[in-house]
Amino acid sequence: DVKVTQSSRYLVKRTGEKVFLECVQDMDHENMFWYRQDPGLGLRLIYFSYDVKMKEKGDIPEGYSVSREKKERFSLILESASTNQTSMYLCASSPYSNQPQHFGDGTRLSIL
Amino acid sequence: DQQVKQNSPSLSVQEGRISILNCDYTNSMFDYFLWYKKYPAEGPTFLISISSIKDKNEDGRFTVFLNKSAKHLSLHIVPSQPGDSAVYFCAAVHGGTYKYIFGTGTRLKVLA
Repeated sequence: DVKVTQSSRYLVKRTGEKVFLECVQDMDHENMFWYRQDPGLGLRLIYFSYDVKMKEKGDIPEGYSVSREKKERFSLILESASTNQTSMYLCASSPYSNQPQHFGDGTRLSIL
Repeated sequence: DQQVKQNSPSLSVQEGRISILNCDYTNSMFDYFLWYKKYPAEGPTFLISISSIKDKNEDGRFTVFLNKSAKHLSLHIVPSQPGDSAVYFCAAVHGGTYKYIFGTGTRLKVLA
């Protein structure tokens, strides 16, 4: 079974802080993704990566950056956290494009 | 502009009956569709998918139907069980891309 592990289930940070969310997958998948889930808006793609050191913007990249130094690890960075970034963040991975993405259990991030 | 829509935010069904969840899309370039189930405090779990070259795909109690002319996707669960109570998301993929476009979700409640 694919295992996608997100480092924290719950996180509370203050506005202006730099925040790191970490994600690790154990199936040697090429592609990794970061989404946020908000009520009434479904899942929205922030960034994705199809190879080490490669990244592409998703639909809502503003205020975020990512890092993929190793194939198994994909980090989401909030450069200067703001209250409107309070959300559930979900990481996913897939072997290639038309294969199901496998999700981690999410990080509920609160920015105070 | 929401390309994938789930117009019913919630649905209640008696145990043993059929659950039908619906999804509409606007982009005719989508060629791969998926359904995910999400329990509270967990990540989405892949349920079933369908390619645009098919109009039906079955997996146990779950069947997905695709009507390309109507740009409509549905998930049938027969028979419904209390453990099926969750939020269901449909997702669509434009061929050759990595980007999933998710609907906003339908909360299914199966009553015992």
